[in-house]
Amino acid sequence: TQLLEQSPQFLSIQEGENLTVYCNSSSVFSSLQWYRQEPGEGPVLLVTVVTGGEVKKLKRLTFQFGDARKDSSLHITAAQPGDTGLYLCAGGHNQGGKLIFGQGTELSVKP
Amino acid sequence: NAGVTQTPKFQVLKTGQSMTLQCAQDMNHNSMYWYRQDPGMGLRLIYYSASEGTTDKGEVPNGYNVSRLNKREFSLRLESAAPSQTSVYFCASSRVLNLLAEYQETQYFGPGTRLLVL
Repeated sequence: TQLLEQSPQFLSIQEGENLTVYCNSSSVFSSLQWYRQEPGEGPVLLVTVVTGGEVKKLKRLTFQFGDARKDSSLHITAAQPGDTGLYLCAGGHNQGGKLIFGQGTELSVKP
Repeated sequence: NAGVTQTPKFQVLKTGQSMTLQCAQDMNHNSMYWYRQDPGMGLRLIYYSASEGTTDKGEVPNGYNVSRLNKREFSLRLESAAPSQTSVYFCASSRVLNLLAEYQETQYFGPGTRLLVL
């Protein structure tokens, strides 16, 4: 069974702080996605990274795919209360779109 | 466009009862998925349908059946509910399921069905 381990599982920080969430595996993935989920809703895609070493930025969010395509990180600069939610990484293979999800990181940003 | 819709939103069942979770998408997507989400375990794939008329098992298919009724609708059935099936169930769809693609298509998720089995 291929696993994606996310760390930390829970993170509580003050507004304005920076944070990094990690997603690690012993398996190589063809691509890695990050989703954000708010309470009572389904996950929403934030980004897809496909190339080893790739870095993508979305405003205050920076996503990186490891050189060996086994790990990824999400860095948030100057976190805001609106960033609160569950962040999920998901690895994909060339197997018909099936995704392997990490267990999620619950982020709470306090004003 | 409503995107992906799921019914019901909440359901309480007794052990042994059966029920069907409904899912529909209006984005003309070919592929649809059913996941369950449990605390600390992320999302786990139950079944998926690459295209109309095809279904395949995912990671945790035991105790479930699915039907791809048409391109829009993909239902999940619990024939004899068990307490271990207490979970939040999400349906998702994507444009294509490309075996040769090096990238993942975006999956669009419904709002979920919260199921409690007593």
